[in-house]
Amino acid sequence: DTAVSQTPKYLVTQMGNDKSIKCEQNLGHDTMYWYKQDSKKFLKIMFSYNNKELIINETVPNRFSPKSPDKAHLNLHINSLELGDSAVYFCASSQRLAANEQFFGPGTRLTVL
Amino acid sequence: AQTVTQSQPEMSVQEAETVTLSCTYDTSESDYYLFWYKQPPSRQMILVIRQEAYKQQNATENRFSVNFQKAAKSFSLKISDSQLGDAAMYFCAYLVTGANSKLTFGKGITLSVRP
Repeated sequence: DTAVSQTPKYLVTQMGNDKSIKCEQNLGHDTMYWYKQDSKKFLKIMFSYNNKELIINETVPNRFSPKSPDKAHLNLHINSLELGDSAVYFCASSQRLAANEQFFGPGTRLTVL
Repeated sequence: AQTVTQSQPEMSVQEAETVTLSCTYDTSESDYYLFWYKQPPSRQMILVIRQEAYKQQNATENRFSVNFQKAAKSFSLKISDSQLGDAAMYFCAYLVTGANSKLTFGKGITLSVRP
């Protein structure tokens, strides 16, 4: 069983489109995260949610809107996609907000043409 | 703000030899955690080793060990008996627990292993 899963694994789309990436964890964790890895492989936090509540929003453009329907899911919706949004997006989860370990999903490679 | 610095973009090691990857960090916190993550071409983020800042003893996991120097804010990773499967990007990361808990990553280092 995959602990943290993301769909899709690959996403190729045109500029201006709207797309969503889904994340699910079956670990019973309270806290979930989205990280972005850019073309230079630099990883940076975007959002964190704890029990469906937004905790961190790291100055991400408004075009990015995370949604947590329940604490096992954290989806990322992106409006009006831009070339610079091309990256690998990682979902992660941790047992609780102050936990010292995060479990990562396999990543979603988004390519905007 | 916390920062993590990995100054070496690339390193190479001969199979079966030992290699050390460097990492420094900057923080005003006293309680935090440090990590090394491995990212192979499959892009999966794999936790290699974790160090609690309050522990003086250096963490070890089989062939992987760290040299944690808290006063110097240095956290290097030593890989002994390097194997071809160790070839990957390695990221040093810092975590302070609390309401705004998040991982802060260094830029990563690409490790190649020569057969």
